[in-house]
Amino acid sequence: DAGVTQSPTHLIKTRGQQVTLRCSPKSGHDTVSWYQQALGQGPQFIFQYYEEEERQRGNFPDRFSGHQFPNYSSELNVNALLLGDSALYLCASSLWGLDTEAFFGQGTRLTVV
Amino acid sequence: RKEVEQDPGPFNVPEGATVAFNCTYSNSASQSFFWYRQDCRKEPKLLMSVYSSGNEDGRFTAQLNRASQYISLLIRDSKLSDSATYLCVVNGRTARQLTFGSGTQLTVLP
Repeated sequence: DAGVTQSPTHLIKTRGQQVTLRCSPKSGHDTVSWYQQALGQGPQFIFQYYEEEERQRGNFPDRFSGHQFPNYSSELNVNALLLGDSALYLCASSLWGLDTEAFFGQGTRLTVV
Repeated sequence: RKEVEQDPGPFNVPEGATVAFNCTYSNSASQSFFWYRQDCRKEPKLLMSVYSSGNEDGRFTAQLNRASQYISLLIRDSKLSDSATYLCVVNGRTARQLTFGSGTQLTVLP
């Protein structure tokens, strides 16, 4: 039973570019949440997807957008990259409507130069 | 003020020591509380949920004080393998997002 998988594991981009990160949730899970973790900080909630719709959003600008596909996998897109977007991006999967454990992927480490 | 605040750390303790981490949260409507563990350059993993009555899992004991909006984690008989960052996490009443503290780094020394 595969857990949460994210790709790529590492990425280097230049300021102003756009990036797409991908996440496949744990088998049986239908909800995907994305988090940004800067160095030395805890993860910060970006947004959450369920039934292919954004259900909740944290305090992130519109440069951050996402999508969920019918197979529950998800993408995080960041446009007009800034140096400050350098971070570990974590995907967490869970079941909607239940207070169950959220499982995290290993993350994508994005470096913006 | 941050929504979830933790001891800044780092904590460096000898093997066998008892160590306690504290955390406060600002949203009184919060309903679910957790401690996550994060190893260096890895993803966070759930260590334990925290219940109002307090709960224990082996060497780990978690306590919740809703009136004071305070959460604690006690680790007894520390092992080298306990070295990690411990994240205090809160989930709101209707929001299903997790709000993390900045984490407290623990190093258990031989």
